[in-house]
Amino acid sequence: DGGITQSPKYLFRKEGQNVTLSCEQNLNHDAMYWYRQDPGQGLRLIYYSQIVNDFQKGDIAEGYSVSREKKESFPLTVTSAQKNPTAFYLCASSIEFRWGTGGQKLFFGSGTQLSVL
Amino acid sequence: SQKIEQNSEALNIQEGKTATLTCNYTNYSPAYLQWYRQDPGRGPVFLLLIRENEKEKRKERLKVTFDTTLKQSLFHITASQPADSATYLCALDARGETGTASKLTFGTGTRLQVTL
Repeated sequence: DGGITQSPKYLFRKEGQNVTLSCEQNLNHDAMYWYRQDPGQGLRLIYYSQIVNDFQKGDIAEGYSVSREKKESFPLTVTSAQKNPTAFYLCASSIEFRWGTGGQKLFFGSGTQLSVL
Repeated sequence: SQKIEQNSEALNIQEGKTATLTCNYTNYSPAYLQWYRQDPGRGPVFLLLIRENEKEKRKERLKVTFDTTLKQSLFHITASQPADSATYLCALDARGETGTASKLTFGTGTRLQVTL
């Protein structure tokens, strides 16, 4: 079955530690996204990638880093510079990046809950 | 400032009734609007997309309206069932007033609870 796989489902971070959240898709989609979801807030965009080897910062990129070396993979690293990392992290993909020009539905993974020890 | 507002309080309705959820926005000029369903601990699932030049879109028991004058979208679920209980998110693809690049921006969602 095609889809987006996020792992792990739950992740705990110690003080000063960097952690990496995995996101893999087998939908052959060009565009991939990372969102953060906090209780009572809408999804906030962290980073997005329109195509392999390219990515742009979203609204809340500070303290996060990404890479897009393969079309299928878009891992997110939460660095020690992110002082409030506890949240539900969602990875998504779309066939192509068309914001503002035509509309593309997003396919989401099942999320990773990150907590601080 | 730009805002997307959905009812923050849960909407409780009886099985078989029509559920109506609202999405209001200010200081956006959306090219299109999307609705997603999210179950607890899961990622959102796309339901419907409606463009700025469309007034209404239907899919099975779902209906979405889009009024760019009122700056509002309504999401209806007819003949609601307990399985429809979830949080529903609206998302706008729009430029802000300052003409910044378009992006997909999500509302906070409305939790729907359908009871027997």
